[in-house]
Amino acid sequence: EPEVTQTPSHQVTQMGQEVILRCVPISNHLYFYWYRQILGQKVEFLVSFYNNEISEKSEIFDDQFSVERPDGSNFTLKIRSTKLEDSAMYFCASTLSGRHNEQYFGPGTRLTVT
Amino acid sequence: SQQGEEDPQALSIQEGENATMNCSYKTSINNLQWYRQNSGRGLVHLILIRSNEREKHSGRLRVTLDTSKKSSSLLITASRAADTASYFCATDDSGNNRKLIWGLGTSLAVNP
Repeated sequence: EPEVTQTPSHQVTQMGQEVILRCVPISNHLYFYWYRQILGQKVEFLVSFYNNEISEKSEIFDDQFSVERPDGSNFTLKIRSTKLEDSAMYFCASTLSGRHNEQYFGPGTRLTVT
Repeated sequence: SQQGEEDPQALSIQEGENATMNCSYKTSINNLQWYRQNSGRGLVHLILIRSNEREKHSGRLRVTLDTSKKSSSLLITASRAADTASYFCATDDSGNNRKLIWGLGTSLAVNP
């Protein structure tokens, strides 16, 4: 069964460093998302991506964040200069088009900023 | 309060019992989805119910949706220890981008 994959599973970085989180969505899906979950808190929407551009972003997704789909397969989230409060689990998700399609999530990348 | 609030926040039951979790939301939706998360792990999709559906079943799961009350419930019948996890409801925002808005979840412990 097709699945969303994410790498790495755990990333430790120092404050101020750049990180790139990688995702491979399900191949025939058209909408892509990043969410994050700070430990013990709810899952929060970061950004949605469709037709090679950002379709919506939350207030969390500031200038330090960017997304890219460089090769039609990978979908990346870059954090330019990490802060301590960026420590969280980051989930990538994808879905087919249509209003009633499930979003399929990857296993997540645990980002720890020290 | 936030879209997609679950209650109870924590539920502890014995194996074999049924577990019921509730979710309330505030805005209009296209659909509501339930997910499961084992501690520190990924989000596993359980079931999606559309706004024009009232009830849906999948194995031991039964989901209801009451759009007039903006609420949904997830029932797990004949629970097993392996059902121990956090359960989240997520609503899409009825916009074009289908982003999901999440509650805090219900932490379910099924004791053997």
